[in-house]
Amino acid sequence: DTAVSQTPKYLVTQMGNDKSIKCEQNLGHDTMYWYKQDSKKFLKIMFSYNNKELIINETVPNRFSPKSPDKAHLNLHINSLELGDSAVYFCASSQGDRESSYGYTFGSGTRLTVV
Amino acid sequence: SQKIEQNSEALNIQEGKTATLTCNYTNYSPAYLQWYRQDPGRGPVFLLLIRENEKEKRKERLKVTFDTTLKQSLFHITASQPADSATYLCVTGFQKLVFGTGTRLLVSP
Repeated sequence: DTAVSQTPKYLVTQMGNDKSIKCEQNLGHDTMYWYKQDSKKFLKIMFSYNNKELIINETVPNRFSPKSPDKAHLNLHINSLELGDSAVYFCASSQGDRESSYGYTFGSGTRLTVV
Repeated sequence: SQKIEQNSEALNIQEGKTATLTCNYTNYSPAYLQWYRQDPGRGPVFLLLIRENEKEKRKERLKVTFDTTLKQSLFHITASQPADSATYLCVTGFQKLVFGTGTRLLVSP
């Protein structure tokens, strides 16, 4: 019973295409995130939603558009894909308005390869 | 800006020994630090959170310390096993997590 699930796990696509990555959490958490892990394995936040409201939007090209239809889902749509978008994208969720002793729960990642 | 530094070189140890990983932070004073484990092809998995007023936190074979004077957290795995081989990430921040680069631990049988 996966807590944070994202699909697809692998995505290979051509430059210029538009693609979406879906994320769902069944933990009842009220905050969801997208993180990007680059080729050097460095994780960096992209977006965060709290109860369907955007609360963090890091310096990300506006080709990336998150959408949260409800607090259990946070999808990531990417327009006009570029070679530099190739990375692993992680969805995560957390609960509460302060740090939790349970930490953040991450999905298993989507490896995006743009060719 | 917040900055987390971890030894980027892999740590190789023998099974049964204690592994010690270091996390140093600069430019700020975090109220707490988190440690995560990441295996290849998987997302980070939360292990422990330690607050600035807690000198030490334990969970089974894991122990984390927080030294606000040295601006450092140490992560220990006692009686290490090959299954402990993974990358360990030191993390700070709330909602907007700031990750260290991680230290890869290799435990040999």
